[in-house]
Amino acid sequence: AQKVTQAQTEISVVEKEDVTLDCVYETRDTTYYLFWYKQPPSGELVFLIRRNSFDEQNEISGRYSWNFQKSTSSFNFTITASQVVDSAVYFCALSEAQSNFGNEKLTFGTGTRLTIIP
Amino acid sequence: DGGITQSPKYLFRKEGQNVTLSCEQNLNHDAMYWYRQDPGQGLRLIYYSQIVNDFQKGDIAEGYSVSREKKESFPLTVTSAQKNPTAFYLCASSIGRVRDQPQHFGDGTRLSIL
Repeated sequence: AQKVTQAQTEISVVEKEDVTLDCVYETRDTTYYLFWYKQPPSGELVFLIRRNSFDEQNEISGRYSWNFQKSTSSFNFTITASQVVDSAVYFCALSEAQSNFGNEKLTFGTGTRLTIIP
Repeated sequence: DGGITQSPKYLFRKEGQNVTLSCEQNLNHDAMYWYRQDPGQGLRLIYYSQIVNDFQKGDIAEGYSVSREKKESFPLTVTSAQKNPTAFYLCASSIGRVRDQPQHFGDGTRLSIL
């Protein structure tokens, strides 16, 4: 069974500091997809990034960057120069590419609540 | 604007009562999903539907029912058999199969017991 672990339940940093959110996953499949979502106080989940298991290149999008390492089964998310608007709960999720019909799903981690202190 | 609309935002249920949560999308997505979110437990899949008139149970389907009569709509009924329904419910949709397509989420419905 697949599993996603976000060991950091809550993190608080002062504005403009860098912060890294950890995500460790378990899967028996060789082909899979990893996702990060942001959940602001309003409640909806906002899609941030998707990465497939064959693409280990790190990705940068503005202040956001992601580090995917298959060797350690990790897909960590770093926010550089954090801002108050980054305060939210962040979820990492995993889906397996090989799914029997009727077994399509994302497995979510328990989330990390990030608070940016002004 | 295209998106997913969930209603109501807040819902209260009495003991023994069935309640229905609405989810409508105008993104022309084939797949739709219902999740339950409890504090500290992340999101758990209740039901999902890949096409109209078809749906599959997720990890925690007991006490819930769904229908998919139209592509745009995927209502969730919380039945009296669900003994602990207090939670935040999120509806999502995606273009295709979940394994490689990001899901788009609604704003959620918070259900409480009176």
